[in-house]
Amino acid sequence: AQTVTQSQPEMSVQEAETVTLSCTYDTSESDYYLFWYKQPPSRQMILVIRQEAYKQQNATENRFSVNFQKAAKSFSLKISDSQLGDAAMYFCAYLSGTYKYIFGTGTRLKVLA
Amino acid sequence: NAGVTQTPKFRILKIGQSMTLQCAQDMNHNYMYWYRQDPGMGLKLIYYSVGAGITDKGEVPNGYNVSRSTTEDFPLRLELAAPSQTSVYFCASTPGLAGEWEQYFGPGTRLTVT
Repeated sequence: AQTVTQSQPEMSVQEAETVTLSCTYDTSESDYYLFWYKQPPSRQMILVIRQEAYKQQNATENRFSVNFQKAAKSFSLKISDSQLGDAAMYFCAYLSGTYKYIFGTGTRLKVLA
Repeated sequence: NAGVTQTPKFRILKIGQSMTLQCAQDMNHNYMYWYRQDPGMGLKLIYYSVGAGITDKGEVPNGYNVSRSTTEDFPLRLELAAPSQTSVYFCASTPGLAGEWEQYFGPGTRLTVT
């Protein structure tokens, strides 16, 4: 069975600085999707970025980018120029070939003014 | 589009009571999901559906039931509520088309069983 591990329960970053959130996963599948979701205090889950495993190129969305290392089964999220509005829980998620999503336990990001 | 809607937003149940959490989406998505999120934790999959008439168990299905009679609706039934079912419940849908695997989430239902 697939698993997703986020080893950093909490991270802090100064406003305007860069922070990287870690995610590793375990799978025997060769084709899959990976996602990062943001959950602010409102509880609404918001998609931050997605990555298709067959794509070599790392996904980028404005200030958010990923470092996808397929062989190492690593999928980290880099947030550049951090803003106060980035403070939230961040969840890494894996989509399996059986259409099930597996979520990590989350990393709480604090942004310091 | 309203997206994914969930009702109610909050509910308090007594032990042994039953209830149905409603979920609807107006995006014609084939795939729908129910998750629970315990305090400080990630989302755990309860049940999911890949289309009308088809449902399957996720990681934590015990104590719950679902049905999918239409593409739009995916209700979650709790039978004989227990304190362990106190949680926030999220419904989500996904287009399921090539490359379109993003999940669209509802606002959640906070359920307390006492």
